[in-house]
Amino acid sequence: AQSVTQLDSQVPVFEEAPVELRCNYSSSVSVYLFWYVQYPNQGLQLLLKYLSGSTLVKGINGFEAEFNKSQTSFHLRKPSVHISDTAEYFCAVSVRPRMDSSYKLIFGSGTRLLVRP
Amino acid sequence: KAGVTQTPRYLIKTRGQQVTLSCSPISGHRSVSWYQQTPGQGLQFLFEYFSETQRNKGNFPGRFSGRQFSNSRSEMNVSTLELGDSALYLCASSDLDRGRGVNSPLHFGNGTRLTVT
Repeated sequence: AQSVTQLDSQVPVFEEAPVELRCNYSSSVSVYLFWYVQYPNQGLQLLLKYLSGSTLVKGINGFEAEFNKSQTSFHLRKPSVHISDTAEYFCAVSVRPRMDSSYKLIFGSGTRLLVRP
Repeated sequence: KAGVTQTPRYLIKTRGQQVTLSCSPISGHRSVSWYQQTPGQGLQFLFEYFSETQRNKGNFPGRFSGRQFSNSRSEMNVSTLELGDSALYLCASSDLDRGRGVNSPLHFGNGTRLTVT
C-alpha cells in the first residue's frame, strides 16, 4: 500500500536560515507527489507538485522540492525562510486503488515549521 | 474566481445527532473530495464525487455519507455522531476528470470544524 512518511513533526529554524522538510514515500506504481501548506484556521494550499519531467520542482513562495526515485524521497527546501512561513506542511502522494476508480491523496502526518526571529 | 466555500465554519453538536456540511467548489470544477483532519489520525480521505457519482471512498463507517448535486455543490452527512467525529472537515475541488488518469491538484476550502460533545 502506498504511504507517505514525514519523519519530522516539528522543525524550528531561525529567520533567513535555510530549511529542508523531509518526505519519503512508498509506491509501486507511477508517482505523483505534492506539497501542501496549511496556515492556522485555514485549508490546505498547494505549494508545488511533481507529475513527471524535471526532478527539481519549483513552487510558490520560494519553495522547491526534488524528486529522488532511488531514495523514494521528495524533500522540500527553501534557501531563506521568513516568519510568515510558519505553518504546517504536508507531503502527499496521489494514488488510484483500481483502474476504474479516481485518484485520491494520501497525506503524510505533517511537519510544523516554526520560524523564529 | 471565488475559492472553495464551506459552510458552516464551526459546528457544535451532541452525541447521537446528525450533521450536514456543505461545500461549493470553484466555478467550473466538477470533482469534489472530502477529507477529515484530526490531530491523531491526520488527514484521511472520505470520498470523492464527480458529476453526481461517487467514484472513490475511504475507510469510514457507513455513518459518513455524501452526495453531489447537478451544479457540483456537495454535501456530506454524518449520522449518529460520536465524540471521535470531532474534526476539521475539508472539502477540495479539482478542475479535471481525475478518473481518466489525469492528476489535477486539489483546491481546498477552509474547512468546517465540527465539535461533538
